[in-house]
Order: sequence, then structure tokens, then C-alpha cells
Amino acid sequence: DAGITQSPRHKVTETGTPVTLRCHQTENHRYMYWYRQDPGHGLRLIHYSYGVKDTDKGEVSDGYSVSRSKTEDFLLTLESATSSQTSVYFCASRPGQGTQFNEKLFFGSGTQLSVL
Amino acid sequence: LAKTTQPISMDSYEGQEVNITCSHNNIATNDYITWYQQFPSQGPRFIIQGYKTKVTNEVASLFIPADRKSSTLSLPRVSLSDTAVYYCLVVLYSSASKIIFGSGTRLSIRP
Repeated sequence: DAGITQSPRHKVTETGTPVTLRCHQTENHRYMYWYRQDPGHGLRLIHYSYGVKDTDKGEVSDGYSVSRSKTEDFLLTLESATSSQTSVYFCASRPGQGTQFNEKLFFGSGTQLSVL
Repeated sequence: LAKTTQPISMDSYEGQEVNITCSHNNIATNDYITWYQQFPSQGPRFIIQGYKTKVTNEVASLFIPADRKSSTLSLPRVSLSDTAVYYCLVVLYSSASKIIFGSGTRLSIRP
């Protein structure tokens, strides 16, 4: 599997506090994604990146910002965390360099974020 | 973006073949059909992907009819460890496109 690591794995913070989650991949993948998953639900796309400094909004981008200054790192920032942002956050990446049939997403292990 | 519809949940027994069907009526010409598996407390994992007809790998088979408006993931002789959520996605890889997950199918395997 692709080397994708997320940090921190667990985070507890207070409402109104800024929080940054990091996704790091060692596969030189072009595309990276941030999803959130709430209990009993599927994954919802927050933001994604299609190259260094190239990002776009997903389904649920309000309250989140992202940055990608290097190929390997994709940061997700909650400018002022709210209790509704308590969730599990997953990062994913895909190569974007080979044939389309070989394209697939590789996921990190997730970050459990609790906003109190 | 093509919307997918799949059953919310399914139950089966060890040793049985399980078929999960996904509907994607507005699939576009260049879209691929992809299935992911997710265990509790883990990120999703790629299972299989196809464009048309049938694809088989060591884990599953994917059947896609000629009109591509649906697809069926087939898991042969399931075991307890196949209990997971299975997601059907329709994906356009040829551009900087969003990759959207639906709610998935929660598959429970009983002894």
C-alpha cells in the first residue's frame, strides 16, 4: 500500500480553537483528498488537490481550508473548530500519472478529532 | 457527477456467494466503476475496478452490463472477515475531478 500517514491520530480540542491536520504521502502522488466520516455514515469530500498549490472544494468545505505547498503534504485546517466538526478525518491520494484503469485511491488510517 | 444507489445493508452466511448491486443510471462515457471496502476504524481499501464487461481479481468479481447503468460486486464464499461496508463509486480519472462516496452497503456475515 501507498505510504500515507496522518497526524495526529487523535486530537481533542476546544470550540473556537484552530486545528491543523496533516497528511503526508511518500508515493509522489499528484492528487490528494480530505474526507470526513461521521458515525454510521459514508465519507464526505471536504477538499481535494490536483497539484502543488492547486486545490478545490468538495461537498462539505465550509469551515475548512487546505494547503499544499509540497507534493507530499496536504494540510487541513479548521480555522475555528466547532462541535459539528467532531468526526473522523481521512486523507487519500492517487497517482494521476499512469493509465486510468490503474488509478485508485489509497487511504491513511484516519484522525479522530473531538471538539468539546 | 454520476449518482450511485446501493442497498443500505445485506446479511449473508459464511461460505455463501454475495452479490451487491449498484445502480448508476447517469454514468458518463469516460467514467470507471470502482468498489472499496471499509472495516471499522480503518480507511477504505480498493477492491476492484472496471469499465465494461467482467473483471476478476483475487478478491472479487465485478460484472458490468453493456449499458453500464448498473454493476454487481460478487464476493465468492464469504467469511466472517468480509463483514464491512462496501462502497460503489463512479469516477472520472481523466481530470481533476471530485471523487464522491455514497453511504455504502453494510454487509454482515454470520457463522
